[in-house]
Amino acid sequence: GQNIDQPTEMTATEGAIVQINCTYQTSGFNGLFWYQQHAGEAPTFLSYNVLDGLEEKGRFSSFLSRSKGYSYLLLKELQMKDSASYLCAVMDSNYQLIWGAGTKLIIKP
Amino acid sequence: DAEITQSPRHKITETGRQVTLACHQTWNHNNMFWYRQDLGHGLRLIHYSYGVQDTNKGEVSDGYSVSRSNTEDLPLTLESAASSQTSVYFCASSETPESGELFFGEGSRLTVL
Repeated sequence: GQNIDQPTEMTATEGAIVQINCTYQTSGFNGLFWYQQHAGEAPTFLSYNVLDGLEEKGRFSSFLSRSKGYSYLLLKELQMKDSASYLCAVMDSNYQLIWGAGTKLIIKP
Repeated sequence: DAEITQSPRHKITETGRQVTLACHQTWNHNNMFWYRQDLGHGLRLIHYSYGVQDTNKGEVSDGYSVSRSNTEDLPLTLESAASSQTSVYFCASSETPESGELFFGEGSRLTVL
């Protein structure tokens, strides 16, 4: 079966750095995607990796290792507004997105 | 600005009733999707469409139907609502079928009593 695993909840301090991990087992691979979802709101696209390595986008970076079936989202200089759930999704060989259950990130002052 | 809107945002209904959730997008995207989101689960695909008159079943399609008569709209119908269909429903669209960058509506919270 297809499976995406990510931690249920993480806590971090304002101004710090946090890494949210995602491991996957899917039928084929056509990219890995990270979304941010604030409570009660819609998910919004953050980043996309299709090749191994690090993609940087301001305070957010995403890393992919296809051989290990592993990705992480790195958030730097955390702000209170970063409190949200972070969803990892993998596009399989049929171009269907398989979603993880999300990691709820709590930022403390 | 282009957008995707859902209605109603909140609905309470009774078991056995028919319910339709509307989704309207002005992105001019051919590709539209319906997902449900439940605690402890990732987003699960209900139905999707790659263009007018095209509809396809997703992972959890039982008890749901969609129709695509134009580019802008993909209404989701629950033929006979069940308590297991209490959930938050998201409509989304994308520029191409292969794109994982989805644009989501605000969500519709449905409670079936």
